[in-house]
Amino acid sequence: DIQMTQSPSSLSASVGDRVTITCRASQGISNNLAWFQQKPGKAPKSLIYAASSLQSGVPSKFSGSGSGTDFTLTISSLQPEDFATYYCQQYHGYPKTFGQGTKVEIK
Amino acid sequence: EVQLVESGGGLVQPGGSLRLSCAASGFSFINYAMNWVRQAPGKGLEWVSAISGGSGGDTYYPDSVKGRFTMSRDNSKSTLYLQMNSLRADDTAVYYCAKNMAASGTWDYWGQGTLVTVSS
Repeated sequence: DIQMTQSPSSLSASVGDRVTITCRASQGISNNLAWFQQKPGKAPKSLIYAASSLQSGVPSKFSGSGSGTDFTLTISSLQPEDFATYYCQQYHGYPKTFGQGTKVEIK
Repeated sequence: EVQLVESGGGLVQPGGSLRLSCAASGFSFINYAMNWVRQAPGKGLEWVSAISGGSGGDTYYPDSVKGRFTMSRDNSKSTLYLQMNSLRADDTAVYYCAKNMAASGTWDYWGQGTLVTVSS
């Protein structure tokens, strides 16, 4: 199975900060990587697919990059509605696996 | 508007069975692969199963549920199912259905989830 490792597991940031989350795959996955946002008590929301393509309706403050084994999710200017947990997921092969999540909290 | 509405969750004893449903609307259901994903209380996301579009002839499972869970679809009802047998305490989770993107292995829409609790 492909293991996905996110860092950090949690971070504290202020409104307006630029935030970067890293995701590393245990083997190369090309650009078959997605990012999801989840708020407490809610279903996950799809943000990014193919490592860097925004889902329809997702604001451009979110961006993704990377290929192979190393990927990043960046939020350019953190807003109150962005405080949530973020997960990366590889869909290069089965089983589809997630990172453990990064909780973004208010400083 | 794409909508995915799960149902069928509840309390079940260890070793018991439960069937979850996911009613889909707002898109051509038959044309899309679908998935189930779960989240244990306070934990991360775990992919549970996938089924191909069309007749649903191809299904995929992780080792954690293989042989116990069966995913199926009824295109005439635009409904997805997850039959869960031999349930264990560690199957306790919120179960989400998720729609595949066209020509992609990842997902664009999720349902709101249904809670399954396995306990005596």
